Amino acid sequence: SQKIEQNSEALNIQEGKTATLTCNYTNYSPAYLQWYRQDPGRGPVFLLLIRENEKEKRKERLKVTFDTTLKQSLFHITASQPADSATYLCARPSGAGSYQLTFGKGTKLSVIP
Amino acid sequence: EAQVTQNPRYLITVTGKKLTVTCSQNMNHEYMSWYRQDPGLGLRQIYYSMNVEVTDKGDVPEGYKVSRKEKRNFPLILESPSPNQTSLYFCASRGTGYNEQFFGPGTRLTVL
Repeated sequence: SQKIEQNSEALNIQEGKTATLTCNYTNYSPAYLQWYRQDPGRGPVFLLLIRENEKEKRKERLKVTFDTTLKQSLFHITASQPADSATYLCARPSGAGSYQLTFGKGTKLSVIP
Repeated sequence: EAQVTQNPRYLITVTGKKLTVTCSQNMNHEYMSWYRQDPGLGLRQIYYSMNVEVTDKGDVPEGYKVSRKEKRNFPLILESPSPNQTSLYFCASRGTGYNEQFFGPGTRLTVL
């Protein structure tokens, strides 16, 4: 099955700085990647989708990049706030044309006031 | 409001006592799935369903059953729960294409 890895289990950052989270995948490039936010004890909530042919996608303070050469997606939160503290998950289709998603284990972001 | 609902939200039970966790979505989604989430292991898919009467195993199906008799409902059945099934369970649904996946609020299950 297709693997997806989020190398950092946790990331601490000062309020106001830009947080950058990394997601690496193996094997072939997926048609798209998705990013979710999860608060403790709650279900993940969709944030952004980026397609294989898109280098960058933005939504308010969020930015996602997709580098098929490095087999990597970066997720940025600019001007981070304590309310951004959560676990962020990346996900890819489990196979070509599959509706199943394979999730990374997540990166727990803590924004320190 | 578009949502996925699960019940119960919390459940403490004993080994071997059959239980069902219900899941319902109001978005007319074809695809539904169940995940369990454990510390250090992330989200792992248990079962999924592409449509009514169509179900298939995910990565960790042992000890679980599902059914999809109606499009909106996808219950998870534990015929004989064991302590290693203590976990946080999420139901999810999504439409066709590259659409986002909607998750339920979670069911925290403890098997003693």
